[in-house]
Amino acid sequence: GESVGLHLPTLSVQEGDNSIINCAYSNSASDYFIWYKQESGKGPQFIIDIRSNMDKRQGQRVTVLLNKTVKHLSLQIAATQPGDSAVYFCAENRGGSNYKLTFGKGTLLTVNP
Amino acid sequence: EPEVTQTPSHQVTQMGQEVILRCVPISNHLYFYWYRQILGQKVEFLVSFYNNEISEKSEIFDDQFSVERPDGSNFTLKIRSTKLEDSAMYFCASNRDRDNSYTFGSGTRLTVV
Repeated sequence: GESVGLHLPTLSVQEGDNSIINCAYSNSASDYFIWYKQESGKGPQFIIDIRSNMDKRQGQRVTVLLNKTVKHLSLQIAATQPGDSAVYFCAENRGGSNYKLTFGKGTLLTVNP
Repeated sequence: EPEVTQTPSHQVTQMGQEVILRCVPISNHLYFYWYRQILGQKVEFLVSFYNNEISEKSEIFDDQFSVERPDGSNFTLKIRSTKLEDSAMYFCASNRDRDNSYTFGSGTRLTVV
């Protein structure tokens, strides 16, 4: 069955605020957790990943937090901009040689000016 | 910035017909994938391809599906006898290294009528 899912289907924030997008997972054996962004009419775009033995990883304006105790993953976007409006997917990589990704359903982030 | 190119962007076909979805991955990439996304649902793995052969396929990827890399640039997905439930957005992706940062194309929207 599915092992990656999202708490909220939609999130609306004001421009300049911080955004937090959440994801729950059930497969403790995953090697990596990944965030992808999908803008309207485009394919998914890689944002950041985190290895399962880490708790936090930072990128440019984004931070991913992994809480293995409660099997929860979050993506924090600092100073959200209109260009951040998109559907955000969490995904997991269970290892193996093919780096196959299992995606969650997605959260629609809308940034209001 | 290099892109994965998919053609056509939209294809309408009659049930039972064969379709070929075309992709041009990034030229120095070695790992190739097809994913699909039924409207409003998750992005689902179909198949991975490396070294001129399928390295992994999902249960969706049954005998009606096939992939080819006929030359050094194209990567195609063929559906031999389309069904209504094959209607989806099909994404091609490629990767240079074995990691989570795929580059996805913009997709082909397949509508089976």
